Amino acid sequence: AQTVTQSQPEMSVQEAETVTLSCTYDTSESNYYLFWYKQPPSRQMILVIRQEAYKQQNATENRFSVNFQKAAKSFSLKISDSQLGDTAMYFCAFMTTSGSRLTFGEGTQLTVNP
Amino acid sequence: ETGVTQTPRHLVMGMTNKKSLKCEQHLGHNAMYWYKQSAKKPLELMFVYNFKEQTENNSVPSRFSPECPNSSHLFLHLHTLQPEDSALYLCASSLRPDSNYGYTFGSGTRLTVV
Repeated sequence: AQTVTQSQPEMSVQEAETVTLSCTYDTSESNYYLFWYKQPPSRQMILVIRQEAYKQQNATENRFSVNFQKAAKSFSLKISDSQLGDTAMYFCAFMTTSGSRLTFGEGTQLTVNP
Repeated sequence: ETGVTQTPRHLVMGMTNKKSLKCEQHLGHNAMYWYKQSAKKPLELMFVYNFKEQTENNSVPSRFSPECPNSSHLFLHLHTLQPEDSALYLCASSLRPDSNYGYTFGSGTRLTVV
C-alpha cells in the first residue's frame, strides 16, 4: 500500500517570500503520479500541480514548482512570491499508473502574513 | 463554478435522524467518489463509482449508504450516525477511475452529528 507523509502540520510565510512544503511517499511502484492540491477556506480542493514520475523535469505552474526526487521519494512544493490568497491547506497526493485511487497526506496549513 | 456541486453546505443532525448528501457534476466524468475529511487526518476514500456501478467500498459502516442513479449524480444517505462521524464530506469526480489527471472536487458538506 502507498503512503504519503507531510511532516509540517503548519507553516507561515511573509507575503512576497518563498516557502517550501515537504512531502514524502512510500511505494514499490516505478511509475506513478504525484499531485499537490490546495484547499482554501472555501473548502474546495483545487489541483495546483501534477508530476509524472517518469519525467525527470520538475513540473512548474506559474509561481508553483516542485522538487521531485524519485530516489528519495520526495516531492516538495515551492511557492514563490507568496500572496495572501495562497493561505490554505495544502495536500500532497499519490496515484499509481495502474489506477489506484488518490492517496492523500495529512496536509500542511500554510498562512501567508501581510 | 466548481464543476462539482455539493449540497447542503452545512448539516446538523441528531443521531436518530436520516439525511442525504447530494453531489452533482456536469463535466462528462464517469467516475465519482466520496471522501471523508477529518481534522489532522488524511482524506479517507469511502466509495468509488464507475458508470453508476459501485467499484469500491473501503469498509465503510452501513449507516452510510451511497447511491449513484446516473454518472452525474451521487448521494450519500445517512442514518443513525455517531458523533465521530462529524466531518467534512467531499465528493469528487474524474473521467475514469484510472484517470491520472487527478480529481475535481466539490466544496464539501460540513456534517455535525449531535
